[in-house]
Amino acid sequence: EDQVTQSPEALRLQEGESSSLNCSYTVSGLRGLFWYRQDPGKGPEFLFTLYSAGEEKEKERLKATLTKKESFLHITAPKPEDSATYLCAVQAGDYGQNFVFGPGTRLSVLP
Amino acid sequence: ETGVTQTPRHLVMGMTNKKSLKCEQHLGHNAMYWYKQSAKKPLELMFVYNFKEQTENNSVPSRFSPECPNSSHLFLHLHTLQPEDSALYLCASSQNAGPYEQYFGPGTRLTVT
Repeated sequence: EDQVTQSPEALRLQEGESSSLNCSYTVSGLRGLFWYRQDPGKGPEFLFTLYSAGEEKEKERLKATLTKKESFLHITAPKPEDSATYLCAVQAGDYGQNFVFGPGTRLSVLP
Repeated sequence: ETGVTQTPRHLVMGMTNKKSLKCEQHLGHNAMYWYKQSAKKPLELMFVYNFKEQTENNSVPSRFSPECPNSSHLFLHLHTLQPEDSALYLCASSQNAGPYEQYFGPGTRLTVT
């Protein structure tokens, strides 16, 4: 069974304090790994797609990396507006099935 | 604004009511999805439609009935729901039902009394 776990469950950082969020997955035949950001009461907002081990993507203060078993979301010098829940998802089927989300990491960045 | 709209945004219904959730995407995508997000649980994929054809039904109870009349519109018909069905229901769309990023609507907050 495809599984996605994320750690830590919650993370509090001071503004400017860099850190990383982890997404570990167990799937057969990974087709893509996705990172999303979700603010309270809103739908998830797409951040990155990673397709193969060794791939990296960057956007502003965020950088996502992928290995064969896990992905990291690195946050450099975070700001309070980066506070949100960060979700990881994997897709292993050819037709949208087996799209599995992790439980998320709730990030709080204090000013 | 992601290009995916959902109505209503909030819905309160009794266990004997029948209601429908509506989703519309303006992105020209061919795949649409329904998810359920409950407190303290990961998003759960419910249904997948690719080019109007249902390709996935993740063991969802029959009291939830999806309908996809065209690639831009998706409905979720609800009847005789249970209190445990209270959750945020999210609609998403993607280019096709493959390894493509999905764009989500704002969700419908459903409360079953």
